[in-house]
Amino acid sequence: DTGVSQDPRHKITKRGQNVTFRCDPISEHNRLYWYRQTLGQGPEFLTYFQNEAQLEKSRLLSDRFSAERPKGSFSTLEIQRTEQGDSAMYLCASSSHSRSRGETQYFGPGTRLLVL
Amino acid sequence: AQTVTQSQPEMSVQEAETVTLSCTYDTSENNYYLFWYKQPPSRQMILVIRQEAYKQQNATENRFSVNFQKAAKSFSLKISDSQLGDTAMYFCAFMTANFGNEKLTFGTGTRLTIIP
Repeated sequence: DTGVSQDPRHKITKRGQNVTFRCDPISEHNRLYWYRQTLGQGPEFLTYFQNEAQLEKSRLLSDRFSAERPKGSFSTLEIQRTEQGDSAMYLCASSSHSRSRGETQYFGPGTRLLVL
Repeated sequence: AQTVTQSQPEMSVQEAETVTLSCTYDTSENNYYLFWYKQPPSRQMILVIRQEAYKQQNATENRFSVNFQKAAKSFSLKISDSQLGDTAMYFCAFMTANFGNEKLTFGTGTRLTIIP
């Protein structure tokens, strides 16, 4: 068990550019979550997958945001035409969903995005 | 929609003392889960303790314990014999037990500093 990994750890971009982040969950975890955390705040839910299916998207996720989990393993989160308000820490978490609910979500180290 | 409130933005305590972090939440649901996560400076978020709402017994994990008051919708975290490594942001989080909606809703966090 190598834990949840995220790449890159830091990203600086100019406004208007596109960025893509990757998350590799704990192996065999079928659920994968994306959260966004701004300075001084708790993480806010963006979206989540069960295997390759995207089950829910937050209203925070504008049309410029898209997430995929093509083979039910790793996931990517893309932000198009970045804005300064997108600057935040993007956290990925995974869990092993079963009939018992409330499984613990394990978090990755996050990708810190700065939009200039 | 559920909300989680942490009314103590910052706390500090001497090493080896006991400290209690407060958390209240609002929900109309009867079955749910509550979590405390710890986020050390520049490090990833890790689970401290979790509580199932249907269990009356308060959860404990070594030096960490909770006081879960379901009627009052209160979920405080007690850290006994505090250590320097306990210095971190602490987030209280709520998760519904409803299938397909298992995202975490976080509070704004409490920054805890352990003083040597």
